[in-house]
Amino acid sequence: EVQLVESGGGLVKPGGSLRLSCAASGFTFTNAWMIWVRQAPGKGLEWVGRIESKSDGGTTDYAAPVKGRFTISRDDSKNTLYLQMNSLKSEDTAVYFCTTDPSTMGGVNYWGQGTLVTVSS
Amino acid sequence: SYELTQPPSVSVSPGQTARITCSGDALPKKYAYWYQQKSGQAPVLVIYEDSKRPSGIPERFSGSSSGTMATLTITGAQVEDEADYYCFSTDSSGNHRVFGGGTKLTVL
Repeated sequence: EVQLVESGGGLVKPGGSLRLSCAASGFTFTNAWMIWVRQAPGKGLEWVGRIESKSDGGTTDYAAPVKGRFTISRDDSKNTLYLQMNSLKSEDTAVYFCTTDPSTMGGVNYWGQGTLVTVSS
Repeated sequence: SYELTQPPSVSVSPGQTARITCSGDALPKKYAYWYQQKSGQAPVLVIYEDSKRPSGIPERFSGSSSGTMATLTITGAQVEDEADYYCFSTDSSGNHRVFGGGTKLTVL
């Protein structure tokens, strides 16, 4: 059974940091390009950033609102994806999902259940 | 930054055809993907690479793309198809992904 399980969400003060994890199982994580997506309360989906597989170069890219503050990384030995979030702002409050990049898996697409990050004083 | 534009809402009666559009300047050269998201759930991919249907997605879901517009069509929409639908694609550089603003489909 395929699973993506996010963890690490919670309440953090503005300016603070948080690291989210996404544990993958049931598919070949090493070959997967991965994406972080967020959804603010009552709002639409927003692409946060992506990371290629290491065999394809491991390149990362980020959406403009998070570039320079967020960092995506992966540990293929642990089948885990990470999102390091620094200098958090209230507008970063959202449910954060990890998902496979649909452009690289031929119609196969997996999502986690999401983890809530609340940035508030 | 690159944007994909969708209508905020579409409403049809059960059995009618629902069409949801997505416009973006890079769509002539980049694939569109479509997600369905029901309340409180993670999104589900219903169309990939403009017009392909993933395994398990009902045949009433289809996709097309022409010029700067991609379209998701639900032929014979059912009440259970009520959801938010998002298009997803890539900017011209191929590096940045983007979601459309989402379309709320009402079937009643």
